[in-house]
Amino acid sequence: TQLLEQSPQFLSIQEGENLTVYCNSSSVFSSLQWYRQEPGEGPVLLVTVVTGGEVKKLKRLTFQFGDARKDSSLHITAAQPGDTGLYLCATGRNAGGTSYGKLTFGQGTILTVHP
Amino acid sequence: DTGVSQNPRHKITKRGQNVTFRCDPISEHNRLYWYRQTLGQGPEFLTYFQNEAQLEKSRLLSDRFSAERPKGSFSTLEIQRTEQGDSAMYLCASSPSSAGEQYFGPGTRLTVT
Repeated sequence: TQLLEQSPQFLSIQEGENLTVYCNSSSVFSSLQWYRQEPGEGPVLLVTVVTGGEVKKLKRLTFQFGDARKDSSLHITAAQPGDTGLYLCATGRNAGGTSYGKLTFGQGTILTVHP
Repeated sequence: DTGVSQNPRHKITKRGQNVTFRCDPISEHNRLYWYRQTLGQGPEFLTYFQNEAQLEKSRLLSDRFSAERPKGSFSTLEIQRTEQGDSAMYLCASSPSSAGEQYFGPGTRLTVT
């Protein structure tokens, strides 16, 4: 059983469409991170959410942490071909805020945005 | 310092051969992590170091795998008697502390034929 379940696993859309990617767990976390990874490269951190109900925006990307701190979503508005990549959620802390050090990742969502 | 570097970027080897990968972290980062990632999946933790001490190893790290960070700077990951199931991307990351953001290198893609 995955600690972090991401959905959908694959997403193929046209340029200009909106999309939402989900990251769910039965566990409570003090923080969640979202990464984007391009083919042949390592993951790059996009954002860390730490407060239940928190919403963070990064240009056309909107990240939300669930009120219960067990789930998170990433919404992309007006997707562009440059948004294509593997989107990963990850956690490195338990509910009490203790750092594991290591990161545990979801299985990722592969996003393809067609021109 | 331009970030975490990994060498080689690609490695093709025959089953049964030994391979060694190198990771150079961001200077002054005392934490160094190794992860393995198969196609279309998220990275899985293998092991990490604080300075030169190896503090945790995943059960994914069989006896054929060994990692070192002899002087607390660069690290090497060696796989002995490679198997086809070892084919994956091997990622290295470093962070300034246990709670700090992890910065990933570009990875070494291993193909075992």
